[in-house]
Amino acid sequence: GEDVEQSLFLSVREGDSSVINCTYTDSSSTYLYWYKQEPGAGLQLLTYIFSNMDMKQDQRLTVLLNKKDKHLSLRIADTQTGDSAIYFCAERRANFGNEKLTFGTGTRLTIIP
Amino acid sequence: EAGVAQSPRYKIIEKRQSVAFWCNPISGHATLYWYQQILGQGPKLLIQFQNNGVVDDSQLPKDRFSAERLKGVDSTLKIQPAKLEDSAVYLCASSLDIWGGSSYNEQFFGPGTRLTVL
Repeated sequence: GEDVEQSLFLSVREGDSSVINCTYTDSSSTYLYWYKQEPGAGLQLLTYIFSNMDMKQDQRLTVLLNKKDKHLSLRIADTQTGDSAIYFCAERRANFGNEKLTFGTGTRLTIIP
Repeated sequence: EAGVAQSPRYKIIEKRQSVAFWCNPISGHATLYWYQQILGQGPKLLIQFQNNGVVDDSQLPKDRFSAERLKGVDSTLKIQPAKLEDSAVYLCASSLDIWGGSSYNEQFFGPGTRLTVL
Protein backbone atom coordinates (compact mmCIF):
# COMPACT_ATOMS: atom_id res chain seq x y z
CA GLY A 1 0.00 0.00 0.00
CA GLU A 2 0.87 3.69 -0.08
CA ASP A 3 0.51 4.42 3.61
CA VAL A 4 3.16 4.41 6.30
CA GLU A 5 1.44 2.74 9.24
CA GLN A 6 1.77 3.24 12.98
CA SER A 7 -0.30 2.38 16.02
CA LEU A 8 -2.20 5.45 17.18
CA PHE A 9 -1.62 5.21 20.94
CA LEU A 10 0.94 3.86 23.42
CA SER A 11 0.92 4.19 27.22
CA VAL A 12 4.03 3.44 29.24
CA ARG A 13 4.95 3.75 32.91
CA GLU A 14 7.60 6.27 33.79
CA GLY A 15 11.01 4.58 33.87
CA ASP A 16 10.00 1.72 31.55
CA SER A 17 11.04 1.40 27.92
CA SER A 18 8.75 2.56 25.12
CA VAL A 19 8.74 0.82 21.76
CA ILE A 20 7.03 2.56 18.85
CA ASN A 21 6.58 0.59 15.66
CA CYS A 22 6.20 1.60 12.04
CA THR A 23 5.65 -0.24 8.77
CA TYR A 24 6.80 1.59 5.70
CA THR A 25 6.13 0.96 2.04
CA ASP A 26 9.07 1.55 -0.27
CA SER A 27 11.90 -0.97 -0.12
CA SER A 28 14.15 1.49 -1.95
CA SER A 29 13.76 4.24 0.65
CA THR A 30 17.24 5.55 1.44
CA TYR A 31 16.66 7.08 4.87
CA LEU A 32 14.04 6.55 7.54
CA TYR A 33 13.35 9.12 10.21
CA TRP A 34 11.70 9.54 13.58
CA TYR A 35 10.20 12.92 14.40
CA LYS A 36 8.70 14.12 17.68
CA GLN A 37 5.81 16.60 17.90
CA GLU A 38 4.91 18.25 21.19
CA PRO A 39 1.59 20.08 21.65
CA GLY A 40 1.41 23.30 19.67
CA ALA A 41 4.85 22.80 18.17
CA GLY A 42 6.30 21.75 14.87
CA LEU A 43 8.09 18.48 14.26
CA GLN A 44 11.56 17.93 15.65
CA LEU A 45 13.93 15.37 14.16
CA LEU A 46 14.86 12.82 16.83
CA THR A 47 16.97 10.40 14.86
CA TYR A 48 17.34 8.78 11.46
CA ILE A 49 18.79 5.61 10.01
CA PHE A 50 20.37 4.94 6.64
CA SER A 51 18.89 1.98 4.81
CA ASN A 52 22.11 -0.07 4.84
CA MET A 53 22.07 -0.18 8.65
CA ASP A 54 19.94 -2.40 10.83
CA MET A 55 20.46 -0.62 14.13
CA LYS A 56 21.41 2.79 15.42
CA GLN A 57 21.80 3.86 19.03
CA ASP A 58 21.83 7.44 20.27
CA GLN A 59 21.77 7.86 24.06
CA ARG A 60 18.30 6.68 25.18
CA LEU A 61 17.11 6.04 21.64
CA THR A 62 17.56 2.82 19.69
CA VAL A 63 16.32 2.45 16.12
CA LEU A 64 15.90 -0.98 14.59
CA LEU A 65 15.37 -1.49 10.88
CA ASN A 66 14.14 -4.71 9.28
CA LYS A 67 14.29 -4.11 5.54
CA LYS A 68 12.89 -7.51 4.64
CA ASP A 69 9.67 -6.78 6.52
CA LYS A 70 9.84 -2.98 5.95
CA HIS A 71 9.58 -2.51 9.68
CA LEU A 72 11.08 0.29 11.71
CA SER A 73 11.00 0.69 15.47
CA LEU A 74 12.05 3.32 17.99
CA ARG A 75 12.90 2.28 21.52
CA ILE A 76 13.11 4.94 24.22
CA ALA A 77 14.87 3.70 27.34
CA ASP A 78 13.94 4.99 30.81
CA THR A 79 10.91 6.89 29.54
CA GLN A 80 10.35 10.26 31.21
CA THR A 81 7.35 12.59 31.39
CA GLY A 82 9.09 14.88 28.91
CA ASP A 83 8.85 12.11 26.34
CA SER A 84 5.07 12.58 26.12
CA ALA A 85 4.42 13.60 22.52
CA ILE A 86 3.33 12.29 19.14
CA TYR A 87 6.03 10.33 17.31
CA PHE A 88 6.06 10.14 13.52
CA CYS A 89 8.08 7.82 11.37
CA ALA A 90 8.84 8.98 7.85
CA GLU A 91 10.40 7.40 4.81
CA ARG A 92 12.35 9.20 2.15
CA ARG A 93 10.95 8.06 -1.19
CA ALA A 94 12.06 8.69 -4.74
CA ASN A 95 9.54 10.93 -6.45
CA PHE A 96 9.95 11.69 -10.18
CA GLY A 97 13.62 12.65 -10.03
CA ASN A 98 13.20 14.22 -6.62
CA GLU A 99 12.66 12.73 -3.20
CA LYS A 100 10.08 13.45 -0.57
CA LEU A 101 9.23 12.50 2.98
CA THR A 102 6.11 10.44 3.56
CA PHE A 103 4.95 10.45 7.16
CA GLY A 104 3.04 7.89 9.16
CA THR A 105 -0.11 8.73 11.09
CA GLY A 106 1.78 9.26 14.33
CA THR A 107 1.80 7.42 17.68
CA ARG A 108 0.71 9.37 20.74
CA LEU A 109 2.93 8.34 23.67
CA THR A 110 1.43 8.86 27.12
CA ILE A 111 3.54 8.43 30.24
CA ILE A 112 1.86 7.00 33.33
CA PRO A 113 3.41 8.32 36.57
CA GLU B 1 20.35 30.04 15.16
CA ALA B 2 16.77 31.26 14.67
CA GLY B 3 14.29 28.62 13.65
CA VAL B 4 11.60 28.61 10.99
CA ALA B 5 9.08 31.38 11.66
CA GLN B 6 5.43 31.20 10.69
CA SER B 7 2.51 33.59 11.07
CA PRO B 8 -0.22 33.80 12.05
CA ARG B 9 -0.29 30.97 14.60
CA TYR B 10 -4.07 30.66 14.48
CA LYS B 11 -6.69 31.67 11.96
CA ILE B 12 -10.45 31.21 11.92
CA ILE B 13 -12.37 31.99 8.74
CA GLU B 14 -15.68 31.14 7.16
CA LYS B 15 -15.89 28.91 4.12
CA ARG B 16 -15.42 30.66 0.79
CA GLN B 17 -13.18 33.29 2.41
CA SER B 18 -9.51 33.70 1.56
CA VAL B 19 -6.51 33.24 3.83
CA ALA B 20 -2.75 33.58 3.55
CA PHE B 21 0.07 32.12 5.61
CA TRP B 22 3.61 33.37 5.81
CA CYS B 23 6.88 31.50 6.38
CA ASN B 24 10.43 32.68 6.96
CA PRO B 25 12.90 29.78 6.69
CA ILE B 26 16.24 29.40 8.41
CA SER B 27 18.77 31.75 6.88
CA GLY B 28 20.72 30.10 4.09
CA HIS B 29 18.32 27.20 3.58
CA ALA B 30 17.73 26.68 -0.12
CA THR B 31 14.75 24.36 0.12
CA LEU B 32 11.36 25.25 1.58
CA TYR B 33 8.38 22.96 2.07
CA TRP B 34 4.71 23.51 2.90
CA TYR B 35 2.87 20.62 4.55
CA GLN B 36 -0.77 20.15 5.49
CA GLN B 37 -1.43 18.22 8.72
CA ILE B 38 -5.05 17.24 9.24
CA LEU B 39 -5.98 16.32 12.81
CA GLY B 40 -4.95 12.75 13.60
CA GLN B 41 -2.75 12.39 10.51
CA GLY B 42 0.86 12.90 9.60
CA PRO B 43 1.99 15.90 7.55
CA LYS B 44 1.40 15.71 3.82
CA LEU B 45 3.63 17.63 1.42
CA LEU B 46 1.82 20.32 -0.56
CA ILE B 47 4.67 22.06 -2.33
CA GLN B 48 8.47 22.16 -2.34
CA PHE B 49 10.63 25.07 -3.49
CA GLN B 50 14.33 25.06 -4.37
CA ASN B 51 15.35 28.71 -4.03
CA ASN B 52 12.48 30.46 -5.85
CA GLY B 53 11.57 27.60 -8.20
CA VAL B 54 8.93 24.92 -7.65
CA VAL B 55 10.36 21.39 -7.43
CA ASP B 56 7.17 19.48 -6.56
CA ASP B 57 3.59 20.74 -6.38
CA SER B 58 1.88 17.50 -7.37
CA GLN B 59 -0.21 17.38 -4.16
CA LEU B 60 -1.24 21.05 -4.19
CA PRO B 61 -4.95 21.58 -5.03
CA LYS B 62 -4.21 24.22 -7.60
CA ASP B 63 -7.80 25.27 -8.12
CA ARG B 64 -7.77 26.92 -4.69
CA PHE B 65 -4.22 26.81 -3.28
CA SER B 66 -1.30 28.88 -4.47
CA ALA B 67 2.18 29.46 -3.12
CA GLU B 68 5.12 31.62 -3.99
CA ARG B 69 8.64 32.16 -2.80
CA LEU B 70 9.75 35.44 -4.27
CA LYS B 71 13.49 36.16 -3.98
CA GLY B 72 14.05 32.63 -2.72
CA VAL B 73 13.61 33.46 0.95
CA ASP B 74 10.16 34.04 2.51
CA SER B 75 7.13 32.19 1.22
CA THR B 76 3.38 32.64 1.32
CA LEU B 77 0.68 30.00 0.94
CA LYS B 78 -2.80 31.16 -0.02
CA ILE B 79 -6.17 29.44 -0.03
CA GLN B 80 -8.95 31.03 -2.06
CA PRO B 81 -11.76 30.14 -1.51
CA ALA B 82 -11.46 27.99 1.62
CA LYS B 83 -13.49 24.85 2.18
CA LEU B 84 -14.39 23.10 5.42
CA GLU B 85 -11.95 20.28 4.63
CA ASP B 86 -9.06 22.77 4.57
CA SER B 87 -9.17 22.92 8.38
CA ALA B 88 -5.70 21.73 9.38
CA VAL B 89 -2.32 22.82 10.64
CA TYR B 90 -0.12 24.21 7.87
CA LEU B 91 3.54 23.53 8.54
CA CYS B 92 6.47 25.18 6.85
CA ALA B 93 9.87 23.49 6.86
CA SER B 94 13.26 24.28 5.40
CA SER B 95 16.43 22.36 4.68
CA LEU B 96 19.93 23.34 3.69
CA ASP B 97 19.80 21.69 0.32
CA ILE B 98 17.68 19.57 -1.93
CA TRP B 99 17.66 15.79 -1.68
CA GLY B 100 20.50 13.72 -2.91
CA GLY B 101 23.58 11.81 -2.08
CA SER B 102 24.39 10.55 1.35
CA SER B 103 23.15 13.56 3.24
CA TYR B 104 20.26 12.89 5.58
CA ASN B 105 19.09 16.41 4.75
CA GLU B 106 17.29 17.34 7.97
CA GLN B 107 14.13 19.35 7.57
CA PHE B 108 13.51 21.97 10.27
CA PHE B 109 9.86 22.69 10.98
CA GLY B 110 8.12 25.84 12.09
CA PRO B 111 5.39 25.80 14.77
CA GLY B 112 2.61 25.80 12.17
CA THR B 113 -0.54 27.80 11.52
CA ARG B 114 -3.75 26.22 12.77
CA LEU B 115 -6.57 27.02 10.34
CA THR B 116 -10.22 26.52 11.25
CA VAL B 117 -12.79 26.90 8.49
CA LEU B 118 -16.38 27.34 9.73
